[in-house]
Amino acid sequence: GESVGLHLPTLSVQEGDNSIINCAYSNSASDYFIWYKQESGKGPQFIIDIRSNMDKRQGQRVTVLLNKTVKHLSLQIAATQPGDSAVYFCAGAIPGDSSYKLIFGSGTRLLVRP
Amino acid sequence: KAGVTQTPRYLIKTRGQQVTLSCSPISGHRSVSWYQQTPGQGLQFLFEYFSETQRNKGNFPGRFSGRQFSNSRSEMNVSTLELGDSALYLCASSLVGGRSTGEAFFGQGTRLTVV
Repeated sequence: GESVGLHLPTLSVQEGDNSIINCAYSNSASDYFIWYKQESGKGPQFIIDIRSNMDKRQGQRVTVLLNKTVKHLSLQIAATQPGDSAVYFCAGAIPGDSSYKLIFGSGTRLLVRP
Repeated sequence: KAGVTQTPRYLIKTRGQQVTLSCSPISGHRSVSWYQQTPGQGLQFLFEYFSETQRNKGNFPGRFSGRQFSNSRSEMNVSTLELGDSALYLCASSLVGGRSTGEAFFGQGTRLTVV
């Protein structure tokens, strides 16, 4: 079945540096992929998504790259700020008859050093 | 506009009991999905409701059930609670939950502890 995993459980970066969070998926069932940010005591918050027929998508300070050849995607955060400290999840959206089911990775904790 | 509201925020139950959790989606959203989040298993999909009908289901035992009302509010029920059911239960709502969008808005969750 579909599984989505992350390479590192924790990523520590210096404030102002760029962060790269990686994610791998096992098959090509997902129509698109989504990145979520979860702060302590809160539910996941949508950051950005990318359709499976795209290679790159940019948002505000974030860029998601999708490499279908190696089944890998990444989230790049430019000029990382203390407020970016959180757990980041990637999710694959598996299409059903009329809706999607999200399959989440285990998450990467991003720590921003001042 | 108000976000997704889940009640209660925290709950402590004893093994064998049953529990009902509530989720009020964003106004106008008709799709409600439920997820279980644990340190060991991460975020796992439970089920999704749309227009009072379950359209998608994850791989959880029949002790986990849900329903949706005509106003799109949803409840999930867990019967015969086990220690392993201790988790953060998250509800997510989206406009239609269909192929047009995957942007789901999550509530803060209900932290269930089974003792």
